Amino acid sequence: DAGITQSPRYKITETGRQVTLMCHQTWSHSYMFWYRQDLGHGLRLIYYSAAADITDKGEVPDGYVVSRSKTENFPLTLESATRSQTSVYFCAISPKPYEQYFGPGTRLTVT
Amino acid sequence: QKEVEQDPGPLSVPEGAIVSLNCTYSNSAFQYFMWYRQYSRKGPELLMYTYSSGNKEDGRFTAQVDKSSKYISLFIRDSQPSDSATYLCAGSGGSNYKLTFGKGTLLTVNP
Repeated sequence: DAGITQSPRYKITETGRQVTLMCHQTWSHSYMFWYRQDLGHGLRLIYYSAAADITDKGEVPDGYVVSRSKTENFPLTLESATRSQTSVYFCAISPKPYEQYFGPGTRLTVT
Repeated sequence: QKEVEQDPGPLSVPEGAIVSLNCTYSNSAFQYFMWYRQYSRKGPELLMYTYSSGNKEDGRFTAQVDKSSKYISLFIRDSQPSDSATYLCAGSGGSNYKLTFGKGTLLTVNP
């Protein structure tokens, strides 16, 4: 357990609905990341945050929104879910430039 | 061209074999190189990291980086069935804690 929890662990939703995936760390590390993992694409960075109220886009940000009002929480929102957003989503924290610790993941299915 | 290229395999070896996993990268700014292991339906976990060129050994695992050829390797000696997993290589410039991952190689070690 790297001190990262993600909720929900499994989610099925319909196209067009708004969905929020939660990420919580028991530490107070500055850097937090959201990835999606798909067969054939590997891990792709969606958004990351260097501190509370500081966020930046990654490789595949379209259709996603993040916020970080508290250091320990980094929610990811799909504003209007599409089938192409069916994926496994991982949150990660980074205490050092070469270390990232991942949460258990959220399996999202958009029907 | 992706910044980190990795042969997806799959790779199947008998127990006790020496395994060689390899990646190439294109970003000259990378200073840190990591190997992650991911078991089925779990989040990736950091296995080893190397700073700049050189070798690093940890038990049965050896990580090797050759910056002149932009080549990253992971060697597993005396492979065990418990080593069966997907192995992901990653590179980082270090300044913003962002990692760039390869797509991962699926390894199966057969008893």
